[in-house]
Amino acid sequence: DIVMTQSPDSLAVSLGERATINCKSSQSVLSRANNKNCLAWYQQKPGQPPKLLIYWASTRESGVPDRFSGSGSGTDFTLTISSLEAEDVAVYYCQEYYSAPASAFGQGTKLEIK
Amino acid sequence: QVHLVESGGGVVQPGESLRLSCAASGFTFTNYAMHWVRQAPGKGLEWVAFIRYDGTNEYYVDSVKGRFTISRDNSKNTVFLQMNSLRADDTAVYYCAKDGAEYGDYGEYFDHWGQGTLVTVSS
Repeated sequence: DIVMTQSPDSLAVSLGERATINCKSSQSVLSRANNKNCLAWYQQKPGQPPKLLIYWASTRESGVPDRFSGSGSGTDFTLTISSLEAEDVAVYYCQEYYSAPASAFGQGTKLEIK
Repeated sequence: QVHLVESGGGVVQPGESLRLSCAASGFTFTNYAMHWVRQAPGKGLEWVAFIRYDGTNEYYVDSVKGRFTISRDNSKNTVFLQMNSLRADDTAVYYCAKDGAEYGDYGEYFDHWGQGTLVTVSS
């Protein structure tokens, strides 16, 4: 089974500054079928369901602000928020779907304002 | 606009059963696989079950195999999760989620989620 490990577990960033969250998979999630990385990022605010931000490691979902970006390949991935806004306070999860349908999530990273 | 509404959660005792429903609208339901994902109180996300767009294939996380059954009624745009022999560690908010791939065989990312329904298993 693929294990997803996020770092850090929590993060405090000042408004307007960059926030970076890392996600590492225990094996490559690069699909040989389409040469794309099977990696998604979600944002979950308190009391709400998760919201899809990024899929295929770097494709932004429609309607997601362009301050959110995803990068990485193989086993190492990064979610970057270029300029933090107050509304970005949330828990962020990565998910691999290389082993879909039995996909795995990271443990989550809590993002707060410094 | 995609809309997913779960129902059927509640408080049950260990060993009892519960059936969750998820009513879908705003997309061509018959073209998409559906999933159930759960989140224990204060914890992270755990994928639970998958059903192919035409209902011909189902997959489960190991911890629920033999106890949970996912099904769908494409005539009613609804997906179900029958949960039997419930245990305390099944306590969670259960979300239904739409798969991002049209006609996907195994599923990909989850592009829409319902608000969730809380299942509490306690004596």
